Amino acid sequence: SYELTQPPSVSVSPGQTARITCSADALAKQYTYWYQQKPGQAPVLVIYQDTDRPSGIPERFSGSSSGTTATLTISGVQAEDEAEYYCQSADSSATYVEFGGGTKLTVL
Amino acid sequence: QVTLRESGPALVKPTQTLTLTCTLSGFPLTTSGMCVSWIRQSPGKALEWLARIDWDDETYYSTSLKTRLTISKDTSKNQVVLTVTNVDPVDTATYYCARNAPYRTTCAGWFDAWGQGTPVTVAS
Repeated sequence: SYELTQPPSVSVSPGQTARITCSADALAKQYTYWYQQKPGQAPVLVIYQDTDRPSGIPERFSGSSSGTTATLTISGVQAEDEAEYYCQSADSSATYVEFGGGTKLTVL
Repeated sequence: QVTLRESGPALVKPTQTLTLTCTLSGFPLTTSGMCVSWIRQSPGKALEWLARIDWDDETYYSTSLKTRLTISKDTSKNQVVLTVTNVDPVDTATYYCARNAPYRTTCAGWFDAWGQGTPVTVAS
Protein backbone atom coordinates (compact mmCIF):
# COMPACT_ATOMS: atom_id res chain seq x y z
CA SER A 1 0.00 0.00 0.00
CA TYR A 2 1.02 3.62 -0.31
CA GLU A 3 -0.14 7.06 0.74
CA LEU A 4 -0.41 10.11 -1.45
CA THR A 5 0.93 13.12 0.40
CA GLN A 6 -0.41 16.60 -0.30
CA PRO A 7 0.18 19.87 1.54
CA PRO A 8 -2.87 20.71 3.65
CA SER A 9 -3.14 24.21 2.28
CA VAL A 10 -1.89 26.58 -0.39
CA SER A 11 -2.65 30.28 -0.58
CA VAL A 12 -2.21 32.58 -3.54
CA SER A 13 -3.40 35.99 -4.64
CA PRO A 14 -5.62 36.34 -7.71
CA GLY A 15 -3.63 36.24 -10.92
CA GLN A 16 -0.75 34.36 -9.36
CA THR A 17 0.24 30.75 -10.00
CA ALA A 18 -0.73 28.01 -7.57
CA ARG A 19 1.16 24.76 -7.42
CA ILE A 20 -0.12 21.77 -5.50
CA THR A 21 2.06 18.72 -5.10
CA CYS A 22 1.29 15.06 -4.56
CA SER A 23 4.01 12.62 -3.56
CA ALA A 24 4.40 8.86 -3.28
CA ASP A 25 6.88 6.30 -4.49
CA ALA A 26 4.11 4.69 -6.53
CA LEU A 27 3.81 7.79 -8.70
CA ALA A 28 7.07 6.91 -10.38
CA LYS A 29 5.15 4.10 -12.11
CA GLN A 30 1.51 5.21 -12.00
CA TYR A 31 -0.48 8.08 -13.37
CA THR A 32 -1.85 10.86 -11.19
CA TYR A 33 -5.32 12.33 -11.50
CA TRP A 34 -6.58 15.57 -9.97
CA TYR A 35 -10.04 16.60 -8.77
CA GLN A 36 -11.48 19.91 -7.66
CA GLN A 37 -14.12 19.85 -4.95
CA LYS A 38 -16.06 22.89 -3.84
CA PRO A 39 -18.04 22.86 -0.58
CA GLY A 40 -21.18 20.78 -0.78
CA GLN A 41 -20.37 19.54 -4.27
CA ALA A 42 -19.04 16.36 -5.80
CA PRO A 43 -15.45 16.25 -7.04
CA VAL A 44 -14.76 17.27 -10.62
CA LEU A 45 -11.91 15.81 -12.65
CA VAL A 46 -9.49 18.52 -13.78
CA ILE A 47 -6.45 16.49 -14.87
CA TYR A 48 -6.04 12.86 -15.90
CA GLN A 49 -3.02 10.75 -16.82
CA ASP A 50 -0.66 13.28 -15.25
CA THR A 51 -1.07 15.99 -17.87
CA ASP A 52 -4.33 15.72 -19.81
CA ARG A 53 -7.20 18.11 -19.29
CA PRO A 54 -10.82 17.01 -19.80
CA SER A 55 -12.94 19.05 -22.13
CA GLY A 56 -14.51 22.00 -20.39
CA ILE A 57 -11.66 22.49 -17.92
CA PRO A 58 -9.98 25.88 -18.35
CA GLU A 59 -6.50 25.96 -19.86
CA ARG A 60 -5.10 27.55 -16.71
CA PHE A 61 -5.20 24.08 -15.15
CA SER A 62 -2.21 21.93 -16.02
CA GLY A 63 -0.47 18.89 -14.62
CA SER A 64 3.01 17.49 -14.59
CA SER A 65 4.87 14.62 -13.01
CA SER A 66 8.49 13.91 -12.29
CA GLY A 67 9.76 10.93 -10.39
CA THR A 68 7.65 10.43 -7.30
CA THR A 69 5.95 13.83 -7.33
CA ALA A 70 3.05 15.08 -9.40
CA THR A 71 2.09 18.73 -9.55
CA LEU A 72 -1.15 20.50 -10.33
CA THR A 73 -0.52 24.03 -11.56
CA ILE A 74 -3.20 26.69 -11.79
CA SER A 75 -1.96 29.70 -13.72
CA GLY A 76 -3.65 33.04 -13.27
CA VAL A 77 -5.69 31.85 -10.31
CA GLN A 78 -9.21 33.19 -10.10
CA ALA A 79 -11.47 33.52 -7.08
CA GLU A 80 -13.63 30.70 -8.42
CA ASP A 81 -10.66 28.32 -8.16
CA GLU A 82 -10.85 28.38 -4.38
CA ALA A 83 -11.60 24.77 -3.50
CA GLU A 84 -10.19 21.54 -2.13
CA TYR A 85 -7.99 19.66 -4.57
CA TYR A 86 -7.37 15.93 -4.37
CA CYS A 87 -4.82 13.85 -6.18
CA GLN A 88 -5.56 10.23 -6.94
CA SER A 89 -3.68 7.30 -8.38
CA ALA A 90 -4.40 3.68 -9.24
CA ASP A 91 -2.56 0.56 -10.29
CA SER A 92 -2.58 -0.52 -13.92
CA SER A 93 -5.77 -2.52 -13.52
CA ALA A 94 -7.45 0.29 -11.59
CA THR A 95 -8.31 -2.09 -8.78
CA TYR A 96 -6.20 -0.41 -6.13
CA VAL A 97 -7.19 3.23 -5.83
CA GLU A 98 -5.79 5.83 -3.49
CA PHE A 99 -6.65 9.47 -2.88
CA GLY A 100 -4.46 12.09 -1.33
CA GLY A 101 -5.50 13.90 1.80
CA GLY A 102 -6.53 17.01 -0.10
CA THR A 103 -5.18 20.53 -0.37
CA LYS A 104 -7.26 23.56 0.45
CA LEU A 105 -6.54 26.29 -2.08
CA THR A 106 -7.28 29.73 -0.70
CA VAL A 107 -7.42 32.71 -3.03
CA LEU A 108 -6.45 35.70 -0.94
CA GLN B 1 -25.47 13.00 -21.08
CA VAL B 2 -23.84 10.81 -18.44
CA THR B 3 -25.38 11.15 -15.00
CA LEU B 4 -25.30 9.16 -11.79
CA ARG B 5 -27.65 9.56 -8.86
CA GLU B 6 -27.24 8.01 -5.43
CA SER B 7 -30.07 7.13 -3.11
CA GLY B 8 -30.37 5.50 0.26
CA PRO B 9 -31.23 6.07 3.90
CA ALA B 10 -29.96 9.18 5.59
CA LEU B 11 -29.76 7.51 8.99
CA VAL B 12 -28.88 3.96 10.00
CA LYS B 13 -28.26 2.45 13.38
CA PRO B 14 -24.99 0.82 14.42
CA THR B 15 -24.70 -2.86 13.47
CA GLN B 16 -27.33 -2.51 10.73
CA THR B 17 -26.74 -3.05 7.03
CA LEU B 18 -26.60 0.00 4.79
CA THR B 19 -27.86 -0.35 1.24
CA LEU B 20 -27.15 2.35 -1.32
CA THR B 21 -28.32 2.54 -4.92
CA CYS B 22 -26.71 4.35 -7.83
CA THR B 23 -28.94 4.95 -10.83
CA LEU B 24 -27.08 5.46 -14.09
CA SER B 25 -28.18 7.44 -17.10
CA GLY B 26 -26.55 8.02 -20.44
CA PHE B 27 -24.47 4.86 -20.43
CA PRO B 28 -25.49 1.23 -20.05
CA LEU B 29 -23.39 -0.75 -17.63
CA THR B 30 -23.66 -3.70 -20.01
CA THR B 31 -21.38 -1.96 -22.51
CA SER B 32 -17.84 -3.29 -22.63
CA GLY B 33 -15.45 -1.06 -20.73
CA MET B 34 -18.05 0.41 -18.40
CA CYS B 35 -17.29 0.32 -14.69
CA VAL B 36 -18.78 2.07 -11.67
CA SER B 37 -17.15 2.69 -8.31
CA TRP B 38 -18.37 3.75 -4.89
CA ILE B 39 -16.33 6.35 -3.03
CA ARG B 40 -17.06 7.92 0.34
CA GLN B 41 -16.03 11.03 2.20
CA SER B 42 -16.32 11.32 5.95
CA PRO B 43 -17.10 14.83 7.24
CA GLY B 44 -14.09 17.05 6.73
CA LYS B 45 -12.01 14.15 5.50
CA ALA B 46 -10.50 12.91 2.29
CA LEU B 47 -12.06 10.67 -0.33
CA GLU B 48 -11.92 6.91 0.12
CA TRP B 49 -12.47 4.42 -2.69
CA LEU B 50 -14.65 1.50 -1.64
CA ALA B 51 -15.54 -0.81 -4.50
CA ARG B 52 -15.97 -1.21 -8.24
CA ILE B 53 -18.13 -3.33 -10.51
CA ASP B 54 -17.47 -3.86 -14.19
CA TRP B 55 -19.69 -4.50 -17.21
CA ASP B 56 -18.72 -8.17 -17.05
CA ASP B 57 -19.67 -8.53 -13.36
CA GLU B 58 -16.11 -8.48 -12.08
CA THR B 59 -15.94 -6.82 -8.66
CA TYR B 60 -13.12 -5.24 -6.69
CA TYR B 61 -13.00 -3.99 -3.11
CA SER B 62 -10.99 -1.82 -0.80
CA THR B 63 -8.62 -4.07 1.10
CA SER B 64 -9.54 -2.55 4.44
CA LEU B 65 -13.31 -2.90 3.99
CA LYS B 66 -13.75 -5.90 1.71
CA THR B 67 -15.23 -8.12 4.39
CA ARG B 68 -18.14 -5.70 4.90
CA LEU B 69 -18.86 -4.59 1.33
CA THR B 70 -20.84 -6.08 -1.49
CA ILE B 71 -21.30 -4.37 -4.84
CA SER B 72 -23.77 -5.61 -7.41
CA LYS B 73 -25.70 -4.40 -10.43
CA ASP B 74 -29.20 -4.61 -11.81
CA THR B 75 -28.82 -4.20 -15.54
CA SER B 76 -32.57 -4.08 -16.13
CA LYS B 77 -32.72 -0.92 -14.03
CA ASN B 78 -29.19 0.29 -14.92
CA GLN B 79 -28.38 0.49 -11.23
CA VAL B 80 -25.44 -0.36 -9.03
CA VAL B 81 -26.01 -1.32 -5.41
CA LEU B 82 -23.56 -1.19 -2.52
CA THR B 83 -24.21 -2.87 0.80
CA VAL B 84 -22.19 -2.18 3.90
CA THR B 85 -22.75 -4.59 6.75
CA ASN B 86 -22.36 -4.02 10.46
CA VAL B 87 -22.12 -0.24 10.18
CA ASP B 88 -20.44 1.87 12.83
CA PRO B 89 -20.43 5.62 13.47
CA VAL B 90 -17.10 5.80 11.64
CA ASP B 91 -19.04 4.88 8.49
CA THR B 92 -20.80 8.23 8.66
CA ALA B 93 -19.99 9.86 5.35
CA THR B 94 -21.25 11.14 2.05
CA TYR B 95 -21.30 8.24 -0.35
CA TYR B 96 -20.65 8.89 -4.03
CA CYS B 97 -20.92 6.66 -7.03
CA ALA B 98 -18.66 7.53 -9.93
CA ARG B 99 -17.95 6.20 -13.38
CA ASN B 100 -14.48 4.93 -14.12
CA ALA B 101 -13.60 6.60 -17.39
CA PRO B 102 -13.88 4.19 -20.31
CA TYR B 103 -10.47 3.67 -21.85
CA ARG B 104 -9.93 1.53 -24.91
CA THR B 105 -11.55 -1.83 -24.15
CA THR B 106 -11.61 -1.49 -20.40
CA CYS B 107 -12.09 1.14 -17.75
CA ALA B 108 -9.47 3.52 -16.51
CA GLY B 109 -8.23 4.44 -13.08
CA TRP B 110 -9.83 7.86 -13.01
CA PHE B 111 -13.42 8.99 -12.52
CA ASP B 112 -14.96 11.15 -15.19
CA ALA B 113 -18.48 11.49 -13.82
CA TRP B 114 -19.78 11.60 -10.26
CA GLY B 115 -23.15 11.58 -8.61
CA GLN B 116 -24.06 14.39 -6.24
CA GLY B 117 -23.53 12.11 -3.24
CA THR B 118 -25.86 10.88 -0.55
CA PRO B 119 -25.11 11.66 3.10
CA VAL B 120 -25.39 8.82 5.58
CA THR B 121 -25.24 9.13 9.35
CA VAL B 122 -24.69 6.11 11.55
CA ALA B 123 -26.11 6.76 15.00
CA SER B 124 -28.39 5.17 17.52
